[in-house]
Amino acid sequence: DAGVTQSPTHLIKTRGQHVTLRCSPISGHKSVSWYQQVLGQGPQFIFQYYEKEERGRGNFPDRFSARQFPNYSSELNVNALLLGDSALYLCASSIRTSGIGEQFFGPGTRLTVL
Amino acid sequence: DAKTTQPNSMESNEEEPVHLPCNHSTISGTDYIHWYRQLPSQGPEYVIHGLTSNVNNRMASLAIAEDRKSSTLILHRATLRDAAVYYCILRSPGGGYQKVTFGIGTKLQVIP
Repeated sequence: DAGVTQSPTHLIKTRGQHVTLRCSPISGHKSVSWYQQVLGQGPQFIFQYYEKEERGRGNFPDRFSARQFPNYSSELNVNALLLGDSALYLCASSIRTSGIGEQFFGPGTRLTVL
Repeated sequence: DAKTTQPNSMESNEEEPVHLPCNHSTISGTDYIHWYRQLPSQGPEYVIHGLTSNVNNRMASLAIAEDRKSSTLILHRATLRDAAVYYCILRSPGGGYQKVTFGIGTKLQVIP
């Protein structure tokens, strides 16, 4: 079975631009979470979606938004990019939103903002 | 949010057991303790989780203190492939609002 997939693998943008990152969860998983990981730090929670509804939001500005589609795939959008947005963006899927189950992480999208 | 505290780094000799500690003194009564690890250039990988009782799986064991304010991840025989950053996180069991906090984690170096 395919794991969590993310696209693109790498991305280079300039300040002020907009970016869309995509995630396909494991088949059967209805929950998708997004994380930002700056070099040398642990992943920081951005959003969680379940059944197309937002179920959790971290401490990120409104420039960050996300959505989940009927097939449970998800997009993370970031507007007005700043240099500080350069990071590895991770997507994780799980069967439910419950904190009991495990999350399966994708390989991430490396975003560089110049 | 309940936070966790871990040592920044640890070393272990290959084939020896490793005990990775985690403090979570503000844990709530319903929070589950999860451990993930992240190998270089990869996304985090689930290792184990528990609530109150000690837990074992094929990868590791989790020992939880009686007061639940600390826990220890135990790798019974460290291999070079276990070299990674290990994260201890807390997650609530409900299906409602979720906010997950990863700390810096413990970077484990395994010495051949």
